[in-house]
Amino acid sequence: KQEVTQIPAALSVPEGENLVLNCSFTDSAIYNLQWFRQDPGKGLTSLLLIQSSQREQTSGRLNASLDKSSGRSTLYIAASQPGDSATYLCAVSAYNFNKFYFGSGTKLNVKP
Amino acid sequence: AAGVIQSPRHLIKEKRETATLKCYPIPRHDTVYWYQQGPGQDPQFLISFYEKMQSDKGSIPDRFSAQQFSDYHSELNMSSLELGDSALYFCASSLDRGGVDTQYFGPGTRLTVL
Repeated sequence: KQEVTQIPAALSVPEGENLVLNCSFTDSAIYNLQWFRQDPGKGLTSLLLIQSSQREQTSGRLNASLDKSSGRSTLYIAASQPGDSATYLCAVSAYNFNKFYFGSGTKLNVKP
Repeated sequence: AAGVIQSPRHLIKEKRETATLKCYPIPRHDTVYWYQQGPGQDPQFLISFYEKMQSDKGSIPDRFSAQQFSDYHSELNMSSLELGDSALYFCASSLDRGGVDTQYFGPGTRLTVL
């Protein structure tokens, strides 16, 4: 069974810092990897989707990379803002099936 | 742009009661997924449907059933509710274009079992 791990579990940084969130998965045979943002008690907002054939995707201040062979992905957030404070979840879709396996998330706090 | 709609947004039930959660996917999306997120936990896959047929099944209790209707909306039926069923239930939809599918999640239904 696919297992997804996210490190660190929590991160607190001052505003303006660049930061990296890590995601690792045990089975490299994946279709896609998706990064989500979740605010407390709220739904999941899709941030970036990386197809298994891709290396990275960028959207604004966010950049996600994928190293499928090593089972790793990183989410880079540039010039962090207090509004970025949320839990960031990484999820991979299983090969031949599209259900997602989620990591436990990284809870980010950006201090003004 | 239209998003995934879930209803109700909040639901409070007593133990042993029945609950029905509804999901309306993004128009033209043919795949629906259900996930359960317990307090402080990551979302766990329950079940999915593609073109009204069950396509995959995860850790869904036998007390739960689901289906996708002709208009592609889906319902998750939960019977004999237990305290442990209290969770945020997400529905997601996608359009499978040969393996390239972004799952779009609804806002979730928060179920509280008393």
